[in-house]
Amino acid sequence: GDSVTQTEGQVTVSESKSLIINCTYSTTSIAYPNLFWYVRYPGEGLQLLLKVITAGQKGSSRGFEATYNKETTSFHLQKASVQESDSAVYYCALGEDGTQVVGQLTFGSGTRLQVYA
Amino acid sequence: GGIITQTPKFLIGQEGQKLTLKCQQNFNHDTMYWYRQDSGKGLRLIYYSITENDLQKGDLSEGYDASREKKSSFSLTVTSAQKNEMAVFLCASSIHKSNERLFFGHGTKLSVL
Repeated sequence: GDSVTQTEGQVTVSESKSLIINCTYSTTSIAYPNLFWYVRYPGEGLQLLLKVITAGQKGSSRGFEATYNKETTSFHLQKASVQESDSAVYYCALGEDGTQVVGQLTFGSGTRLQVYA
Repeated sequence: GGIITQTPKFLIGQEGQKLTLKCQQNFNHDTMYWYRQDSGKGLRLIYYSITENDLQKGDLSEGYDASREKKSSFSLTVTSAQKNEMAVFLCASSIHKSNERLFFGHGTKLSVL
């Protein structure tokens, strides 16, 4: 089956410090997985943060970056300097090529980021 | 822009009760999904629907029914609530059969006494 493992629980970071949330994936059925990071801000629905569909490429959005590493099966989320407004729950997800299959994503358990001033 | 509205936001039920969760979207998206999230776990797909009147089972469909009578709405029924069950149910939609971008509602939090 497919699975996604990400940094568990809560990560607390001081404003302007760097951040990394780890994500590794495993799949036995998807030849060319697409990888996603979703975010849920307090009081809002889950929304797409960034997506990468090709191994070796990097996605970026709102100062966050993630590189699709097929060798290490990883898709870690990084930001050089976090802000209080980044406080949210972040989900790593894995899916098949969107052009072929209905959207079924395998999600990680979520990592709560708390940024303090 | 559009919005996905889930009702109710909080649902408290009794063991054995049949409970219905509703989801409406005004994106005019073809595909809609129901996910369940338990504490400390990832989202798990219960049902999805490619278009009006279509239903497809996800990995977690046992114990649930779903209905897509209109393109804009997708309801989920817990056929028999389990005692002490607690989870958040998330509805989502996408333009059509693609996972390019999923738009999620705010969730319905279920507690069973």
